[in-house]
Amino acid sequence: EAQVTQNPRYLITVTGKKLTVTCSQNMNHEYMSWYRQDPGLGLRQIYYSMNVEVTDKGDVPEGYKVSRKEKRNFPLILESPSPNQTSLYFCASSVTGTYYEQYFGPGTRLTVT
Amino acid sequence: AQKVTQAQTEISVVEKEDVTLDCVYETRDTTYYLFWYKQPPSGELVFLIRRNSFDEQNEISGRYSWNFQKSTSSFNFTITASQVVDSAVYFCALSEARAGGTSYGKLTFGQGTILTVHP
Repeated sequence: EAQVTQNPRYLITVTGKKLTVTCSQNMNHEYMSWYRQDPGLGLRQIYYSMNVEVTDKGDVPEGYKVSRKEKRNFPLILESPSPNQTSLYFCASSVTGTYYEQYFGPGTRLTVT
Repeated sequence: AQKVTQAQTEISVVEKEDVTLDCVYETRDTTYYLFWYKQPPSGELVFLIRRNSFDEQNEISGRYSWNFQKSTSSFNFTITASQVVDSAVYFCALSEARAGGTSYGKLTFGQGTILTVHP
């Protein structure tokens, strides 16, 4: 089954404790991206990757890191999480670029206390 | 910079009513793509439609229709004879592209419109 998976689905952590949210797709897609969803703000792009070893900032990259060492994986790293990073996070992939439909993961709800 | 505005935060209708969700966008590019996504209460994001800037034809898919007007920078979404299952958050999104059509990689979403359809 073609899908984007994210882990964990739910995470409660404390300020400053490094964490990684994994994202994996099995569709051989070139493009992957991370978004955060906050009430009243819609989805905002954090980082994206056009292909392996090619990443770039979205609209809200501060406090996040990403890497794309393999085509299928695109982890999101929060090196020192803060309460303002409490949000619902979505990973997405598409064949190539943003002009194709995005396939979204199920979301990761992160709470930073 | 690209921008998408969905001015309607919440809409409430009764089943069988028609409802239109507005989307207004801003872009400096002549080549771009517009999308609508649906997020039902279960939380997943579902692709509904894509339209490129050179195709102003309106589209109808069952009870759904989309009206794209470049003159007003709008890409509105209409649900005819709404049903309770249409209750969801709907997002409009914009992707700018280079002249050849390849994307820059950025995708901008609107704030979303919460649609509630009452029985």
